[in-house]
Amino acid sequence: DAKTTQPPSMDCAEGRAANLPCNHSTISGNEYVYWYRQIHSQGPQYIIHGLKNNETNEMASLIITEDRKSSTLILPHATLRDTAVYYCIVRVRAGGSQGNLIFGKGTKLSVKP
Amino acid sequence: DAGVTQSPTHLIKTRGQQVTLRCSPKSGHDTVSWYQQALGQGPQFIFQYYEEEERQRGNFPDRFSGHQFPNYSSELNVNALLLGDSALYLCASSVTGEWEKLFFGSGTQLSVL
Repeated sequence: DAKTTQPPSMDCAEGRAANLPCNHSTISGNEYVYWYRQIHSQGPQYIIHGLKNNETNEMASLIITEDRKSSTLILPHATLRDTAVYYCIVRVRAGGSQGNLIFGKGTKLSVKP
Repeated sequence: DAGVTQSPTHLIKTRGQQVTLRCSPKSGHDTVSWYQQALGQGPQFIFQYYEEEERQRGNFPDRFSGHQFPNYSSELNVNALLLGDSALYLCASSVTGEWEKLFFGSGTQLSVL
């Protein structure tokens, strides 16, 4: 699996967009980019995933560069409840039910009033 | 709809003892994965159960074992506890074919003294 590089921490003002970068320069053609977050004292929560097209859901948007070597998770209007550790994971999306995710240390996002 | 539930929430054991942690998956989910999270680190994959069989295993010794029951609930057993086994143990469930969309419980905090 390709390795990912994320900044250890970031700050964001409440109400502003939070843009979390992830570098995955060794990504293979069949590897997806997944984002999870972990709020303090809770288990990780799935946010979004994508292969090469930009994706958007009710939680966030995922922008993947054309060469797929990096991506950005965007929280359009960050709230205090978005304070969490955000994990960027690159993984082949194998079929069936077999698979596991490899979590790094992630980015600690602090949303400030 | 109850999400993933884990019990107990906290546990204190001494070195050499054995421990059993329990997990009930989200309704409709048939696959259960277990992760270990040390303080300040991302979760590490232990193993995954589907159709009552261990389907995939991470880099953990065979002191770590598990079981999945016909109702899809699961147990994680750790024998001969070491101080280094102190961690947050997370259970995650998923649906066949969507293993990458994991729903995590809040975990069991295990302290080994």
